[in-house]
Amino acid sequence: DIQMTQSPSSMSASLGDRVTITCQASQDIGNNLIWFQQKPGKSPRPMIYYATNLANGVPSRFSGSRSGSDYSLTISSLESEDMADYHCLQYKQYPLTFGSGTKLEIK
Amino acid sequence: AVQLVESGGGLVQPKESLKISCAASGFTFSNAAMYWVRQAPGKGLEWVARIRTKPNNYATYYADSVKGRFTISRDDSKSMVYLQMDNLKTEDTAMYYCTADAFAYWGQGTLVTVSS
Repeated sequence: DIQMTQSPSSMSASLGDRVTITCQASQDIGNNLIWFQQKPGKSPRPMIYYATNLANGVPSRFSGSRSGSDYSLTISSLESEDMADYHCLQYKQYPLTFGSGTKLEIK
Repeated sequence: AVQLVESGGGLVQPKESLKISCAASGFTFSNAAMYWVRQAPGKGLEWVARIRTKPNNYATYYADSVKGRFTISRDDSKSMVYLQMDNLKTEDTAMYYCTADAFAYWGQGTLVTVSS
């Protein structure tokens, strides 16, 4: 199975900060990765498809990138509404696997 | 608008069975692969199962943790997808989400609690 190692597990940042969350894949997944945002009590919302493509309606301060087996979600300038949990998902190979999640809090 | 509405969750005892459902609307259901994803209380997301479309012979795929115990199925005539869960374990306690169109659309979830 492909393991997705997500870091950090939690973080606190100030409004306006640049924030980066990373998932490292244990095997090659190409760009077959989705980033999700999940607010408390809500269903996940896709933010980034195919590692780097912004989903419809997602603010342009969000971006996705890849460096080798490391996949990153970056928020260029943190806003209060970005407080949420973030999850990555690889869909290259079954079983599909999620990262363990990152809780993002606002200082 | 796309809607996915799960139902059928509840409290069951270990080793019992439960079938949860997801009613879909707002898109061409028969053309969409459907998935179940779950989230244990306070934990991360876990993919559970996938079912493909009729041209793909309704092929199914399962997480190792549920293989042999859970069965995903669909009824295209009713735009419904189901998850039959047998021999439930306490570790199956979770919110179960139905999702479609490569995870673009999600339901609100239905809570399954397995406890004696």
